[in-house]
Amino acid sequence: AQSVTQLDSQVPVFEEAPVELRCNYSSSVSVYLFWYVQYPNQGLQLLLKYLSGSTLVKGINGFEAEFNKSQTSFHLRKPSVHISDTAEYFCAVRPPGAAGNKLTFGGGTRVLVKP
Amino acid sequence: EPEVTQTPSHQVTQMGQEVILRCVPISNHLYFYWYRQILGQKVEFLVSFYNNEISEKSEIFDDQFSVERPDGSNFTLKIRSTKLEDSAMYFCASSPAGTGGYGYTFGSGTRLTVV
Repeated sequence: AQSVTQLDSQVPVFEEAPVELRCNYSSSVSVYLFWYVQYPNQGLQLLLKYLSGSTLVKGINGFEAEFNKSQTSFHLRKPSVHISDTAEYFCAVRPPGAAGNKLTFGGGTRVLVKP
Repeated sequence: EPEVTQTPSHQVTQMGQEVILRCVPISNHLYFYWYRQILGQKVEFLVSFYNNEISEKSEIFDDQFSVERPDGSNFTLKIRSTKLEDSAMYFCASSPAGTGGYGYTFGSGTRLTVV
């Protein structure tokens, strides 16, 4: 079984400042890791994913995340946020193998970008 | 870009009534899922469906829930006798066949309100 912990439920940040959203996971098997974003009143959109290879993964909208196996973390970062980045961000994991394996989500981090 | 389409976007129903939530997955995807998000809580896995049968279900997915792919394009979630605690956002998702390195494509959700 897997579990995902997002340590910050809310992160206020000023426009053009950097932001880091923390994600730690627990799993008895190796996992694929994902970050999703949910804009107000919308569905879940994939930001980026880590499957294997380079531990630094770049995604859409200027976001990147770094996989750290020893710390079982997959923190999301953006060097300079915009007002439009106001959203809720979810970290998720799934085991590799069959495509039908379920995603396990963290509790989400709400990012509020202030002007 | 292909989308997962969910209808309706919002449904209000009386406690004890049956509801059917509808989804049109991406046409060449073979795995289908339902997740739900109770307000302020995690996104939770309900069920996965492959080859016209349930491949995995969570503890939440009890006898009052059922899924169906009635016509090769739609994927439905039926809640037989709704309870107040079924009020949530329900997300449909689909993924292609393969070795599991895929983030799903999620629909924009159906907000179910049970009164």
